[in-house]
Amino acid sequence: EPEVTQTPSHQVTQMGQEVILRCVPISNHLYFYWYRQILGQKVEFLVSFYNNEISEKSEIFDDQFSVERPDGSNFTLKIRSTKLEDSAMYFCASPRGGGREETQYFGPGTRLLVL
Amino acid sequence: AQSVAQPEDQVNVAEGNPLTVKCTYSVSGNPYLFWYVQYPNRGLQFLLKYITGDNLVKGSYGFEAEFNKSQTSFHLKKPSALVSDSALYFCAVRDRSGGYNKLIFGAGTRLAVHP
Repeated sequence: EPEVTQTPSHQVTQMGQEVILRCVPISNHLYFYWYRQILGQKVEFLVSFYNNEISEKSEIFDDQFSVERPDGSNFTLKIRSTKLEDSAMYFCASPRGGGREETQYFGPGTRLLVL
Repeated sequence: AQSVAQPEDQVNVAEGNPLTVKCTYSVSGNPYLFWYVQYPNRGLQFLLKYITGDNLVKGSYGFEAEFNKSQTSFHLKKPSALVSDSALYFCAVRDRSGGYNKLIFGAGTRLAVHP
């Protein structure tokens, strides 16, 4: 399976603090997805990012969230002012194959705990 | 809107017995369906997908899934379960309503294989 990496694996932060989660997708990919999984709940789509722009976002992805591609090899998800309910596993997913053959490969996730 | 349902929170199987994890879908248009597995404290690993063609799809680790259009189902199966198959299994459907390929996940089914 293609390798997608994420850092950090765990992060604990205080409510109101900013956090930046990082993802290194399958090499040379221009687009990727972020999902989150609140403990014990289903995996939910947050945002897709293509060619340096947000292509689609969910209702969860409000003004506190942003995504960037700071350099050619990694992508970031930033939460500006964390809330208790932001505690979750955050996954990035990198697609392989085009069009209807696309398969998303997920990173190991970052477990975020907001205190 | 696209959706999938996993009617069982947990499935218990004895090692060596066949297993089935159920998934039903509701889509407009052609269904693109996926199964992912999540081991404890790990990311989602892709198992298999149905795009078109044969209704029986073979995937990783000996898993297969049967697409049934009349019953709108995509059940995951394995002829002989292993203890190491114990994990959380997610069914997902591709949703292109926003123009991109986000995945909509079911709630997940915990598979417990007993020695």
